[in-house]
Amino acid sequence: AQSVTQLDSHVSVSEGTPVLLRCNYSSSYSPSLFWYVQHPNKGLQLLLKYTSAATLVKGINGFEAEFKKSETSFHLTKPSAHMSDAAEYFCVVSDPNAGNNRKLIWGLGTSLAVNP
Amino acid sequence: KAGVTQTPRYLIKTRGQQVTLSCSPISGHRSVSWYQQTPGQGLQFLFEYFSETQRNKGNFPGRFSGRQFSNSRSEMNVSTLELGDSALYLCASSLQGPNSPLHFGNGTRLTVT
Repeated sequence: AQSVTQLDSHVSVSEGTPVLLRCNYSSSYSPSLFWYVQHPNKGLQLLLKYTSAATLVKGINGFEAEFKKSETSFHLTKPSAHMSDAAEYFCVVSDPNAGNNRKLIWGLGTSLAVNP
Repeated sequence: KAGVTQTPRYLIKTRGQQVTLSCSPISGHRSVSWYQQTPGQGLQFLFEYFSETQRNKGNFPGRFSGRQFSNSRSEMNVSTLELGDSALYLCASSLQGPNSPLHFGNGTRLTVT
């Protein structure tokens, strides 16, 4: 069975410092992985996705994530936080063999606060 | 290209009433998914429609139902509203396939009093 764990429910950083949001997954096959971001009172937006190509995935707004199979991790990073990065971040795992029946497992989210 | 549009944006209902929420997907997207988001439960999958057929269903009671029209627009209905149904309801559209990312609307905030 698949599962995804976001290791921190809240992360607080200062503006200009690096961001690390941690995500571990459990899967019996090679999954597809996604990070979504949700700003207050908004829907979710795709940041980046991993689908078995390059293990280092670059996304929007300077974010990137590295797929590490040996550690079953897909941590999200950004070198320098901006105030506009304050939001809720969700890690998602998908079964790439599900065919047309999409099956997504959502993490509980990590709330990122950016302090001036 | 217009994004996913959800209407209404806010809704206040009383217990026992029913409600219908609407979602217009991105042009060309035939898959529409619905999610319920609450502070306590996080993001919970309700159902997914593709070409007017329900493809997947989450673990919600039968009071929650949905449908999709031939133009891919979708509606979800909640009957006999309970206080616990207060939530942000999110609709997402996508192309077919498990690797296709979801494109979300801004949601409908439902408050049940």
